[in-house]
Amino acid sequence: NAGVTQTPKFRVLKTGQSMTLLCAQDMNHEYMYWYRQDPGMGLRLIHYSVGEGTTAKGEVPDGYNVSRLKKQNFLLGLESAAPSQTSVYFCASSFPDVGVYEQYFGPGTRLTVT
Amino acid sequence: AQSVTQLDSQVPVFEEAPVELRCNYSSSVSVYLFWYVQYPNQGLQLLLKYLSGSTLVKGINGFEAEFNKSQTSFHLRKPSVHISDTAEYFCAKGTYKYIFGTGTRLKVLA
Repeated sequence: NAGVTQTPKFRVLKTGQSMTLLCAQDMNHEYMYWYRQDPGMGLRLIHYSVGEGTTAKGEVPDGYNVSRLKKQNFLLGLESAAPSQTSVYFCASSFPDVGVYEQYFGPGTRLTVT
Repeated sequence: AQSVTQLDSQVPVFEEAPVELRCNYSSSVSVYLFWYVQYPNQGLQLLLKYLSGSTLVKGINGFEAEFNKSQTSFHLRKPSVHISDTAEYFCAKGTYKYIFGTGTRLKVLA
C-alpha cells in the first residue's frame, strides 16, 4: 500500500496564478483532510470531506476550494494564489470508527507564492 | 473554543537524557488525545493516543504519555532519548476532526 500520496512535492507560483494539489489514498478511508503548516502555528485545517461528493470548511478555508469526486482522491485548489498561501500543505485520511481516530498523513507539498 | 497548548516551542536535550514534552488541552465532556511526530521533511505519524481507560499510554519508539484530567494535561515522556528522536512533536485533540497544538521541536544533542 502506498498510503497517502500527494502531488506535486514542490511548486512555485506567481501571485494570481492558480493550481491544484492532488491527494490520493489507497486505504479505502471515508474521511480526508487538507491542512496547512506554518512555522509556530502547527497544523490548521483548511477543508475536509466525510465522503465522496461531500466537503466542508475547516478553520482556514478562505482562498481555497476542494473537490472529492472519487473516494480515493481529494483535490485542493488555489484559484488566485497570494503570498500568504506560501506554506507546506498536508493531506490526511482516516476511517473514524469509534475508538479509531488515527489520521494518516501524506508527505506534504511545499508551495511558495512570489 | 477548543484548544491545545504546547508551551515549549523548542526543547534541547542531550542524548540518553530523559525528556518531557508538555501538552495542555481545553476541557470537554469527551476527551480524545493524540501525539504525532514529524521527522524532517516528512508527514506526521501517530506516536500514541488516549481514548479511555488507563491514564498511562504507551506508544512507539519508547514514548509514553500520561492523561491527567484534573490538570487537563497530556505530557509526553521518554526516559532516554536518541539522536534519531530529533523531530517535531504535535499534540492533538479530537475525534474525526482535530485541534493541533503549535508543536515542540525536540533537538537531541550528542
